[in-house]
Amino acid sequence: QKEVEQDPGPLSVPEGAIVSLNCTYSNSAFQYFMWYRQYSRKGPELLMYTYSSGNKEDGRFTAQVDKSSKYISLFIRDSQPSDSATYLCAMSSNTGFQKLVFGTGTRLLVSP
Amino acid sequence: KAGVTQTPRYLIKTRGQQVTLSCSPISGHRSVSWYQQTPGQGLQFLFEYFSETQRNKGNFPGRFSGRQFSNSRSEMNVSTLELGDSALYLCASSFGSVNPGNTGELFFGEGSRLTVL
Repeated sequence: QKEVEQDPGPLSVPEGAIVSLNCTYSNSAFQYFMWYRQYSRKGPELLMYTYSSGNKEDGRFTAQVDKSSKYISLFIRDSQPSDSATYLCAMSSNTGFQKLVFGTGTRLLVSP
Repeated sequence: KAGVTQTPRYLIKTRGQQVTLSCSPISGHRSVSWYQQTPGQGLQFLFEYFSETQRNKGNFPGRFSGRQFSNSRSEMNVSTLELGDSALYLCASSFGSVNPGNTGELFFGEGSRLTVL
C-alpha cells in the first residue's frame, strides 16, 4: 500500500463548477501538506501548502487538512478551462520540504 | 529571474548504457532535489543535495547517484540502464531551509524525459 493515495481521474467538469480533489495518507508523521499543479510537459508548481490540520484559502483555491482522518482536500471554485491540469498532493514530515511524498496525481479537465 | 534548467530535455538510451542528467538551480538556491516521475508510481524522491553534500536519500538502488558542485549545479547519473528506468526525471531547487522570508518551496524544472530501449 502506498503512503499517499490519490484517485488518478480523469475528473471532467463544466466551467464554473466547484472541484474537489482528495488524498489519503497512512504516515501519521506527515506535518506539511502541499498541492502542486502540473501542466502537460511542464514541471509541477506549488499551489498551496498547509502546516498540520486546518483550512487555508487563496483566491479560488481552498486547502483542507484533517490529520485525525489522514485526509486532505483541495477545492477549486468557479473552475476555468485553464485549471485543466494534473493536481498532485504532496506531504513531508520534516521542515525543509525537500523529501516530499507525492500522490500519483488527479487529472482534471474543465470544459468551456 | 531564471527558473530551474534541466538538460537534456529528451534522450533515448539502450539497456546497459549509462546516462548523466544536469540541473541548474535558481540563483541563490543551495538545495537541489531529484525526483523520478512515472505513470504508475507518480513522483518518487531520489535524493537531495545541499552545499555539495547528500542530505536526504530515497529508496532507489545504487545505480542512481548524484552530485552537486560548488555553484549548486547538480548532476544525476544512472548506470546500467534498465527498461524500467524510462521516466521523467525532475529536478527541484530551493533555499534548503525554512526561514521567515521563505517557505522552503521547491521550484521544479521541466524535466528530462529518458526512454530506455
